[in-house]
Amino acid sequence: GEDVEQSLFLSVREGDSSVINCTYTDSSSTYLYWYKQEPGAGLQLLTYIFSNMDMKQDQRLTVLLNKKDKHLSLRIADTQTGDSAIYFCAESSTGGYNKLIFGAGTRLAVHP
Amino acid sequence: NAGVTQTPKFQVLKTGQSMTLQCAQDMNHNSMYWYRQDPGMGLRLIYYSASEGTTDKGEVPNGYNVSRLNKREFSLRLESAAPSQTSVYFCAISESSGYNEQFFGPGTRLTVL
Repeated sequence: GEDVEQSLFLSVREGDSSVINCTYTDSSSTYLYWYKQEPGAGLQLLTYIFSNMDMKQDQRLTVLLNKKDKHLSLRIADTQTGDSAIYFCAESSTGGYNKLIFGAGTRLAVHP
Repeated sequence: NAGVTQTPKFQVLKTGQSMTLQCAQDMNHNSMYWYRQDPGMGLRLIYYSASEGTTDKGEVPNGYNVSRLNKREFSLRLESAAPSQTSVYFCAISESSGYNEQFFGPGTRLTVL
């Protein structure tokens, strides 16, 4: 079945780049997403990539997609303390309606 | 313009009690969703409503019922709460087409004793 996997924790120093990785199983996924969840809040869409793209850049965020390996990554340049949050990878699934399959989330901790 | 609102924010129930979680949106989107979030497991879809008047089961529907009251409102009911339903519940909405960005409410933290 469909599955999305992520590492659970990442710790980086302020100013460094963060790279959060994700693997997925559904090769028919149309879109892949990165959501951010700050403490006590709901999820907020950060960025997304269409499955026929390899890379998307949006200010400090770079998304890389390797369709062959079903691997998605999110790079945050110049990581700040305000980037501390849980980051969820999600794939859109086919099968009659648009639904999202979420990974377990990667908790990013940014330290001075 | 609040987007997606959920009530209550927190709730403690005893095993066997019932309650309804409310979700309302002001974005005029067609599709609405209920998820639960448990530590280390990400979000799992409980039920969804593709459009007003329709509801369907998601990945983990057992122990829950839903009502799409109108286009704005989608409620989740626990008829007889169990400790395994202790979780954070999120309502989300999306347009029914396109890249399916989902907008999330702030969540309801439910504890069942």
